[in-house]
Amino acid sequence: DQQVKQNSPSLSVQEGRISILNCDYTNSMFDYFLWYKKYPAEGPTFLISISSIKDKNEDGRFTVFLNKSAKHLSLHIVPSQPGDSAVYFCAAGIDNNNDMRFGAGTRLTVKP
Amino acid sequence: DTAVSQTPKYLVTQMGNDKSIKCEQNLGHDTMYWYKQDSKKFLKIMFSYNNKELIINETVPNRFSPKSPDKAHLNLHINSLELGDSAVYFCASSQVGQYGYTFGSGTRLTVV
Repeated sequence: DQQVKQNSPSLSVQEGRISILNCDYTNSMFDYFLWYKKYPAEGPTFLISISSIKDKNEDGRFTVFLNKSAKHLSLHIVPSQPGDSAVYFCAAGIDNNNDMRFGAGTRLTVKP
Repeated sequence: DTAVSQTPKYLVTQMGNDKSIKCEQNLGHDTMYWYKQDSKKFLKIMFSYNNKELIINETVPNRFSPKSPDKAHLNLHINSLELGDSAVYFCASSQVGQYGYTFGSGTRLTVV
């Protein structure tokens, strides 16, 4: 039972353009959401998070949007850079419950 | 200094063997985890330890046993290894009240 889904296994974007990575979830109890970035042979690194009380959180080139009614969140990267090429994992959890669920990841390739 | 370190990075072993993967964190976090990245790339939680107490144990075979000698260490012991145990195993840690986990770089286990 995959409660967090990333339906696009890969995404290719031109440098300078916007990258949009999508994530859907099924558990309405989730109250915080995170994006992780993973390079080959490394562990996932935390990128940005959003609480369910917000619908947008911005950090530099990275913005996460949350649509609770649709149980959907997205990560926008603008402008995209070749160094952004990595696998991005969406994750969701319930506060005070140490059980975070991950999507399968989306491989982003930013072409120069 | 590496925040969460796991050893070994690669482990190739025969079916039926018993092996251990070590994990150490120097972040002072109070909870540690083991995740398994399966063939479909999902990160699935196996165990978490908080103050030496197991607080999550998904449907993991009892051949897998976590051992935490202290708050900074969570080792994973696997008995009677099977071909299906081949995967990448990630250790992670977190602090109560903070979003986001810090991951180790992963251990690629190959059972032959």
